[in-house]
Amino acid sequence: DAGITQSPRHKVTETGTPVTLRCHQTENHRYMYWYRQDPGHGLRLIHYSYGVKDTDKGEVSDGYSVSRSKTEDFLLTLESATSSQTSVYFCAIRTRDNEQFFGPGTRLTVL
Amino acid sequence: GQNIDQPTEMTATEGAIVQINCTYQTSGFNGLFWYQQHAGEAPTFLSYNVLDGLEEKGRFSSFLSRSKGYSYLLLKELQMKDSASYLCAVRPRLRDSQNFVFGPGTRLSVLP
Repeated sequence: DAGITQSPRHKVTETGTPVTLRCHQTENHRYMYWYRQDPGHGLRLIHYSYGVKDTDKGEVSDGYSVSRSKTEDFLLTLESATSSQTSVYFCAIRTRDNEQFFGPGTRLTVL
Repeated sequence: GQNIDQPTEMTATEGAIVQINCTYQTSGFNGLFWYQQHAGEAPTFLSYNVLDGLEEKGRFSSFLSRSKGYSYLLLKELQMKDSASYLCAVRPRLRDSQNFVFGPGTRLSVLP
């Protein structure tokens, strides 16, 4: 499983509240990613990181921010959650062999 | 733009062979990946092709033709546990070449 954990695994929140999802890895991989997965859309990249404090936007970054202050942690923040952000969120890492491994996912519901 | 197409659903019988196709149109190409995803779980890596040809790994094989923008995943001796979604993903050769673009996935149902 490449040592990837996500927390929380499930969260229900209300529109307008801030939410932070955490991704933690234990194997010192440089590249980390946040995706969301929705029916009919597949996996879409939100943000990614290529090192500590080095991040960039993906396909669907509006409404999301990220931070990476340590190699092992990549945080995804919804500053003011909306119902359209109800989704399953996956964190992933990329190895030196170009394989991408995913965390177990976080199911977020915004009411 | 980036576009990846896969059939939405497929059905096959236990013990049979099934081929899942993937076509892509991306602004560059730096590798094609196949993932398996069981319902409610995370995707798991199956294969990676960067050169033309067939890569075999046990019951699963993946083929790539870069000139045609085409790949397929071949599953042999199907088992009930192979019922899952299969995701095709491409890494385009862009300035930010670390991004992966995923197709919508093919839901495979294996029947007894």
